[in-house]
Order: sequence, then C-alpha cells, then structure tokens
Amino acid sequence: EAQVTQNPRYLITVTGKKLTVTCSQNMNHEYMSWYRQDPGLGLRQIYYSMNVEVTDKGDVPEGYKVSRKEKRNFPLILESPSPNQTSLYFCASSPWDRNQPQHFGDGTRLSIL
Amino acid sequence: GESVGLHLPTLSVQEGDNSIINCAYSNSASDYFIWYKQESGKGPQFIIDIRSNMDKRQGQRVTVLLNKTVKHLSLQIAATQPGDSAVYFCAENRRGRSGGGNKLTFGTGTQLKVEL
Repeated sequence: EAQVTQNPRYLITVTGKKLTVTCSQNMNHEYMSWYRQDPGLGLRQIYYSMNVEVTDKGDVPEGYKVSRKEKRNFPLILESPSPNQTSLYFCASSPWDRNQPQHFGDGTRLSIL
Repeated sequence: GESVGLHLPTLSVQEGDNSIINCAYSNSASDYFIWYKQESGKGPQFIIDIRSNMDKRQGQRVTVLLNKTVKHLSLQIAATQPGDSAVYFCAENRRGRSGGGNKLTFGTGTQLKVEL
C-alpha cells in the first residue's frame, strides 16, 4: 500500500530536549515536505526536499532542521524544542513534477512543555 | 480526534443534497490547484486537482471549478453523504525557490457537516 508513515504519532516532551520525527514514504517520490498545522493558520510549510541531499526552507523554518540522506526518509529535527513548536505536524511526498498532488502522512501531535 | 482548526467556516447540508465549498486563492501565477479532505485524526487526503488551463474537472461525485479571472476555486460534492463530513482545504501550487517541485499554499479550510 502506498503510504507516508510518520513516527511517533504523539509526543509530549520538555523544552530543550532534542527530538526527531521520522517520515518515510514507499512511493519512490523525489519531493518531500514538512508542514505544521495550527488553529486558524492552516497548514504552513517548514522545509522541503526535491531529492536526496537537496533541501530548502519553507515559510516557517526557524527552530527546525531536516536531512535527506535517503530518498525514502525525511526526518524533522527539533534541536532545542520550545513551547511555540507545540503543533500538529505532517509529512508529505510527491513526484518531482510540480503538477502532482502531495500525499500526506497521518500526522504527529507534538506537545512541548 | 484532533481539532484541525478553530472558528472554521462551516457548511451544514442535509444528506443527499449537493454541497459547494468555495475558496479564494491569492497568487495569479499559481497554475495548479488541489482540493484536500481532512478527517479528524488523519492527514489531508487528495480529492481532485485542476490545472490552470482548465475551467472544470469532474471526478466521482466531485467537481472542481476554476475561475481565474476572480481567482476563485470551488468544490462541488453531489449527493452528500455522512462520510463526507470533514474539513476541506484548497491548495494552490507555486514554484519553489529552486525552480521545481511543489510549494503548496493552503487555505484555512471549511468544515462540512452533513445532517441526517
């Protein structure tokens, strides 16, 4: 089954404790992206990657890092999480062709205390 | 399940009626548009897309209309069913900084409630 898998689905942690949210896709997609979803603000792009070792900032990259060492994986790293990063996070992937829909994972709910 | 938004515009329809969800997009250079459905506790799910060289596209029970003159997009759902209850987002696709791939900009969404 074609899917985007995120882990963990839920995480409660404390300020300053480094965490990584993993994302993996099995569709051989070149393009991957991270979004955060907040009430009233909708989905906003954090970082994206057009292929292995190619990443770029989205609209709200501050406080986040990403890496793309393999085509299927695109982890999101919070080196020193803060409460304003409490949010619902989604990973998405698509073929490189820009006129293709992105496929989303089921989300990761992060709470930073 | 998680709430995907507070104070979302809400559309309430009776089961069996047709639903029309509207969206205004912001960038006249956007050339690809997508509608997504998001159910509680899940990620956005692709419904239908349309390119800017088209005015209308039909899928199974859904139709998307694009009016580039006024930068307006609509999603029509025929014979709305209880399983259609969800938040619906439109997204416009702008070229990323590196010149390729997809950079989606999402609307804030509309909550569709289907009443029995």
